[in-house]
Amino acid sequence: TQLLEQSPQFLSIQEGENLTVYCNSSSVFSSLQWYRQEPGEGPVLLVTVVTGGEVKKLKRLTFQFGDARKDSSLHITAAQPGDTGLYLCAGAIWGKLIFGTGTRLQVFP
Amino acid sequence: GAGVSQSPSNKVTEKGKDVELRCDPISGHTALYWYRQSLGQGLEFLIYFQGNSAPDKSGLPSDRFSAERTGGSVSTLTIQRTQQEDSAVYLCASSLEGRGSYSPLHFGNGTRLTVT
Repeated sequence: TQLLEQSPQFLSIQEGENLTVYCNSSSVFSSLQWYRQEPGEGPVLLVTVVTGGEVKKLKRLTFQFGDARKDSSLHITAAQPGDTGLYLCAGAIWGKLIFGTGTRLQVFP
Repeated sequence: GAGVSQSPSNKVTEKGKDVELRCDPISGHTALYWYRQSLGQGLEFLIYFQGNSAPDKSGLPSDRFSAERTGGSVSTLTIQRTQQEDSAVYLCASSLEGRGSYSPLHFGNGTRLTVT
């Protein structure tokens, strides 16, 4: 069983559209991180959220940690082709960092 | 400054052969992780080193897999008698502090292993 499920698995959209990626679990995490990975490279950290209900913004990206610290969402406003990549959430639990299943986003010009 | 360096970037090997994958973490980072990624999907935890503590090997899929970290720096992941299902991208990451902190992981670009 996968501890952290991400949805959707794949997302293809046109430039300028908005989108939301979800990261869900039945477990409680002490913190949650979001990474973006481009082809041929390792994941790069976007944000860390720690407090239940916390919202963080990074330019056009908005990250939210669920009140119960079991889930998180990433919302992208007016997506750009440069947003294309694999988005991974990662939750800290039991002293480990568990990665989600990933959401592959493609933004067409 | 230099990031996490992994070598080789690509490795093709025949089934049954042994392979060694190398990771040079960021200088001063105490924690080092190995993950495996199949078909561009999520990351599967393999092993974790923190300072001089005993490594957490709970993610290693079989006894064909082993890893060491010499002098608290460079790490080598060894896969013996490779099988086709070992084909994947092997990612190494380091962080300033260990698990339980909020230190971000800094990843290398990975080694793409193909077992024929």
